[in-house]
Amino acid sequence: ELKVEQNPLFLSMQEGKNYTIYCNYSTTSDRLYWYRQDPGKSLESLFVLLSNGAVKQEGRLMASLDTKARLSTLHITAAVHDLSATYFCAVDRITQGGSEKLVFGKGTKLTVNP
Amino acid sequence: EAQVTQNPRYLITVTGKKLTVTCSQNMNHEYMSWYRQDPGLGLRQIYYSMNVEVTDKGDVPEGYKVSRKEKRNFPLILESPSPNQTSLYFCASSLSGFGVNEQFFGPGTRLTVL
Repeated sequence: ELKVEQNPLFLSMQEGKNYTIYCNYSTTSDRLYWYRQDPGKSLESLFVLLSNGAVKQEGRLMASLDTKARLSTLHITAAVHDLSATYFCAVDRITQGGSEKLVFGKGTKLTVNP
Repeated sequence: EAQVTQNPRYLITVTGKKLTVTCSQNMNHEYMSWYRQDPGLGLRQIYYSMNVEVTDKGDVPEGYKVSRKEKRNFPLILESPSPNQTSLYFCASSLSGFGVNEQFFGPGTRLTVL
């Protein structure tokens, strides 16, 4: 059974600081997704990581994937208040029928303080 | 505008009263899915559909039914709701259930069962 673990689950940081959110998963997968959720809102896709060593950057966020270590990281550079949200990673799981299903981590609630 | 819509957005009901939450997408996506989101548990998949007339159970299907008679619609049916189905529900769609496909999420339906 595929398990996806994120840590930390809660992160409070000051503006201007850097930090990293970790996403570990338990079985082989080559595809990992990062989503952002603002309070009371839906999920917004941030990154799609498709292969070992993949790195993607958007503004102050950078995501990477190490499939051998079964680890993805979401690095925040010089945080600003607008980045406050809950961040989810999700990993593909192949079903017996061959289709793909997403398994989500529990999310990391990020609060950026002035 | 490409989007996934859900109705209703908020619903308060009583135990045992059948209800349907509708989901519609206008992107001609083959794959559609329902998730529930509960505090501390992240998102868990309820049911998914690979295409018209093809549905399968996710991780938490008990107490739910779905149907996929048309490509654009994927309603979630609670035949006899119970308080433990109080949750935030999201519908999502993607181009295909095979290969690399980013999922697009609807705005969510907050359901309270008294």
